[in-house]
Amino acid sequence: DTAVSQTPKYLVTQMGNDKSIKCEQNLGHDTMYWYKQDSKKFLKIMFSYNNKELIINETVPNRFSPKSPDKAHLNLHINSLELGDSAVYFCASSQGGQAQPQHFGDGTRLSIL
Amino acid sequence: AQSVAQPEDQVNVAEGNPLTVKCTYSVSGNPYLFWYVQYPNRGLQFLLKYITGDNLVKGSYGFEAEFNKSQTSFHLKKPSALVSDSALYFCAVRPLMNYGGATNKLIFGTGTLLAVQP
Repeated sequence: DTAVSQTPKYLVTQMGNDKSIKCEQNLGHDTMYWYKQDSKKFLKIMFSYNNKELIINETVPNRFSPKSPDKAHLNLHINSLELGDSAVYFCASSQGGQAQPQHFGDGTRLSIL
Repeated sequence: AQSVAQPEDQVNVAEGNPLTVKCTYSVSGNPYLFWYVQYPNRGLQFLLKYITGDNLVKGSYGFEAEFNKSQTSFHLKKPSALVSDSALYFCAVRPLMNYGGATNKLIFGTGTLLAVQP
């Protein structure tokens, strides 16, 4: 009964490849997010979707493309992976107003060889 | 620029002693403030939040935080630390827009590693 689940948990791939990370939430929330946590544990938002509509798009390379097929899913596709993309990517969700806390998945650790 | 500062990379405390993890913020208006905890290889877990009202807010696992508007601080506290409290703690702020509504965007501090010794 995991609230926010991400797959895969680990992703090891070569530079230049294309990969996707999937996220699903069963909390009935209307807003979902992607965060990147670097090796120093610094956490930064990348994207946010509300009811399948993109509402936050931070300064992220065009190689990163989020897709939200429905309110419960937010996937992240990354083209032409680079060494600097190595990080832990977290999906999160929240409901309604901005005072509501975000619920995080356990992350996808992406390692680029 | 809007920011959150956690001045200590690490806080060491003996089990049973009180603990404080510091957080200051620099945003316009009255922001929404949050504390999250991250255990190894896990996502962030919500601890508590301040929106308005009483400056002392209570949260999960016996944690509380005090909002101080004049010092723009939101320090996390616990009266008696447990070894199981050892984890990475993040302060976050959700700044308000000019028209008064809050954004959906969370700005996180750099994190403070809490180490509780038995």
